[in-house]
Amino acid sequence: DTAVSQTPKYLVTQMGNDKSIKCEQNLGHDTMYWYKQDSKKFLKIMFSYNNKELIINETVPNRFSPKSPDKAHLNLHINSLELGDSAVYFCASSQTGQGASREQFFGPGTRLTVL
Amino acid sequence: GIQVEQSPPDLILQEGANSTLRCNFSDSVNNLQWFHQNPWGQLINLFYIPSGTKQNGRLSATTVATERYSLLYISSSQTTDSGVYFCAPRGNQGGKLIFGQGTELSVKP
Repeated sequence: DTAVSQTPKYLVTQMGNDKSIKCEQNLGHDTMYWYKQDSKKFLKIMFSYNNKELIINETVPNRFSPKSPDKAHLNLHINSLELGDSAVYFCASSQTGQGASREQFFGPGTRLTVL
Repeated sequence: GIQVEQSPPDLILQEGANSTLRCNFSDSVNNLQWFHQNPWGQLINLFYIPSGTKQNGRLSATTVATERYSLLYISSSQTTDSGVYFCAPRGNQGGKLIFGQGTELSVKP
């Protein structure tokens, strides 16, 4: 199936640990995003990569480091996890550039719980 | 940055009823998407609608970009329509979507 996929779907970990979330899209898009949804369901952009280049970096703690090995993958590594990092993290992708629709498609989300 | 306000925040409908959800935004936008977040947390694309009107089955959406609002119409609602509906305009900087706070819809049988 063509889609945006994320692993893992659920992640439960202790404060202070380091964890990674992986995202892959097979839609042939050139831009990928990470969004965070908090406990009040508010969704906000964290990062965006276009062709492996960082183009959006919102005011996110530097414990969060995105990595894009190629334009089909965007991973999120989080160091020294804190209780406030508990949230659902969504990956998304879109096609940009001249004539592209730029419609964003979202993955299923990763629910991170920090204990 | 762009401010997005959705109304109403909550809505309870009887199955079969119609409803209109509204999204106001504070600045000009390049495009706008509507999403449905189902009770399992999935974000489902409903419409990509920078302007004009689109219809998809029982749902339709209208965006009036010059007046900075968009409307989502749900007709003959079904229990499977329950969930949170988000409006997300895209601003001019970097392509990020700016989400409203959502309208939580509950459709009762």
